[in-house]
Amino acid sequence: EAGVAQSPRYKIIEKRQSVAFWCNPISGHATLYWYQQILGQGPKLLIQFQNNGVVDDSQLPKDRFSAERLKGVDSTLKIQPAKLEDSAVYLCASSFPTRDSSPSYNEQFFGPGTRLTVL
Amino acid sequence: RKEVEQDPGPFNVPEGATVAFNCTYSNSASQSFFWYRQDCRKEPKLLMSVYSSGNEDGRFTAQLNRASQYISLLIRDSKLSDSATYLCVVSVYGSNYQLIWGAGTKLIIKP
Repeated sequence: EAGVAQSPRYKIIEKRQSVAFWCNPISGHATLYWYQQILGQGPKLLIQFQNNGVVDDSQLPKDRFSAERLKGVDSTLKIQPAKLEDSAVYLCASSFPTRDSSPSYNEQFFGPGTRLTVL
Repeated sequence: RKEVEQDPGPFNVPEGATVAFNCTYSNSASQSFFWYRQDCRKEPKLLMSVYSSGNEDGRFTAQLNRASQYISLLIRDSKLSDSATYLCVVSVYGSNYQLIWGAGTKLIIKP
């Protein structure tokens, strides 16, 4: 079974530039997550989708970050404009929702991440 | 106080030894608990869920103490391949389920 795909794997940009990341979840996984992981810290949830709807984006810096999952399958995360503090690994994960629609009970499968460096 | 706290380590442990570390959580309404493992420069992978009655998977044992609000992970007969960062994850139900991740505990197994 194919895992979660992400691209690009690495990206170096200058501050104030824009960048976009792409994620294709495991086939059939309705729930998709974008995380930011800064070196030495745990993953921080940016946004969670259930199919093409947003479940939680409370920690997404909406002045510069946006994400979409238009057809309920793959997703893009954009940063515009980037700041130095955005340097991190951006992880995408997917999971099956449970019958009671509590996705947190199910294992999350992560992609390899995109390592972003903002200079 | 952080919602989920872990000792960052590193824990330096000789091969074959037993090691244990805890994770404390602040929200008493937390419902589900997990340990994930993250190898250096890799993505996290689920190690085990933590059930109220405790659970064991081979050399790994996870325990939940709701009264004191912590979960623990015990690794017996540690292997070099156990070297990794162990991330504690707690789910809390507010307006919807939220997963709160700890910063991780780094474990180094030495020959």
